[in-house]
Amino acid sequence: AQRVTQPEKLLSVFKGAPVELKCNYSYSGSPELFWYVQYSRQRLQLLLRHISRESIKGFTADLNKGETSFHLKKPFAQEEDSAMYYCALSSNTDKLIFGTGTRLQVFP
Amino acid sequence: EPEVTQTPSHQVTQMGQEVILRCVPISNHLYFYWYRQILGQKVEFLVSFYNNEISEKSEIFDDQFSVERPDGSNFTLKIRSTKLEDSAMYFCASDLRGGQGEQFFGPGTRLTVL
Repeated sequence: AQRVTQPEKLLSVFKGAPVELKCNYSYSGSPELFWYVQYSRQRLQLLLRHISRESIKGFTADLNKGETSFHLKKPFAQEEDSAMYYCALSSNTDKLIFGTGTRLQVFP
Repeated sequence: EPEVTQTPSHQVTQMGQEVILRCVPISNHLYFYWYRQILGQKVEFLVSFYNNEISEKSEIFDDQFSVERPDGSNFTLKIRSTKLEDSAMYFCASDLRGGQGEQFFGPGTRLTVL
């Protein structure tokens, strides 16, 4: 079964602290993994995808096929990073399979 | 920058009534999707649409649901006879390439079934 698991509903850190939002997936083939973000009162938007291997707003995520993980990391959190973060998987079809999301709160 | 738009932002309806949720995808996109999010739960795929037909649908997308692209711009989701459990946020998304491209989401329509 295709599944995405985000074990933390809420992650609270202080500004400048490192952040790691966990994501594990279950998929038998070669998935494409994404992180989507939803800032307060805004729409869901793509933050990054594993195939592009880029850093967006200081965030990175590495696909670990052995651990079936795609954790999102940032070395120094900023207040403007406070948002809802969703890990998503795309299989050999177009649909996205989302995790339950993690709310990141960054305190000043 | 072009965006996906959705109307209405909030729809309240009585159980058993039909509702139509409207979406205007980004104009040059070819792949269209509906997702829903019940309060407190994950975003769930409903249906994908390409070349004027359904590409894939989930178990949720039963005979009560239908999608249509009536003209060159709108993409609609119809729920024929709403149930209480249809209350959710419904998101439309569009994609230029499909096949694991970037999906662009609309702001959502909150459907409340009384």
